[in-house]
Amino acid sequence: ELKVEQNPLFLSMQEGKNYTIYCNYSTTSDRLYWYRQDPGKSLESLFVLLSNGAVKQEGRLMASLDTKARLSTLHITAAVHDLSATYFCASFGWGAQKLVFGQGTRLTINP
Amino acid sequence: EPEVTQTPSHQVTQMGQEVILRCVPISNHLYFYWYRQILGQKVEFLVSFYNNEISEKSEIFDDQFSVERPDGSNFTLKIRSTKLEDSAMYFCASSEWGLTGGTGELFFGEGSRLTVL
Repeated sequence: ELKVEQNPLFLSMQEGKNYTIYCNYSTTSDRLYWYRQDPGKSLESLFVLLSNGAVKQEGRLMASLDTKARLSTLHITAAVHDLSATYFCASFGWGAQKLVFGQGTRLTINP
Repeated sequence: EPEVTQTPSHQVTQMGQEVILRCVPISNHLYFYWYRQILGQKVEFLVSFYNNEISEKSEIFDDQFSVERPDGSNFTLKIRSTKLEDSAMYFCASSEWGLTGGTGELFFGEGSRLTVL
């Protein structure tokens, strides 16, 4: 059974700082998803990482995937308050049609 | 931009009542999903649907749950006899090629909040 674990689960940081959220998954998978969720809202797709070594960047967020280590990272550069949200990573086992989500990382960025 | 739409946005029901949550996936998408999220917790898979049949379901998706694509546009989730623990946000999602095809992207609707009293 695929397990997806994120850390940290809670992250409070100051504007302007850099930080990284880690996502480990337990079985072989070539794809990794990152979503953002604001309180009471839906899941907004940030990145779909399609292969080993994939790196994608959008604004202050950069995601990478290492399938050998079964690890993805979401790096936040020079954080701004607008990035406060809960971030989920998700993956799926080979041949499956179900995404398994991590527990989520609640990110709070303070002025 | 095409989007997944869900109705109702919020439904309050009494325990034991039947509930139907409705979704209109993006029009050219072939794969459909329901997920749920209990308040403050992680997102859990319920069921995936392709070619008019269930392709995968979780342990949560027991006999009280069913899905249907009654026409070419709607995708519904029915809970036959609701329990208190069914209170959650239910998200519908659709994908053009599924998780393993193309970009594998899933598009989520805004969710239907179900409150069981």
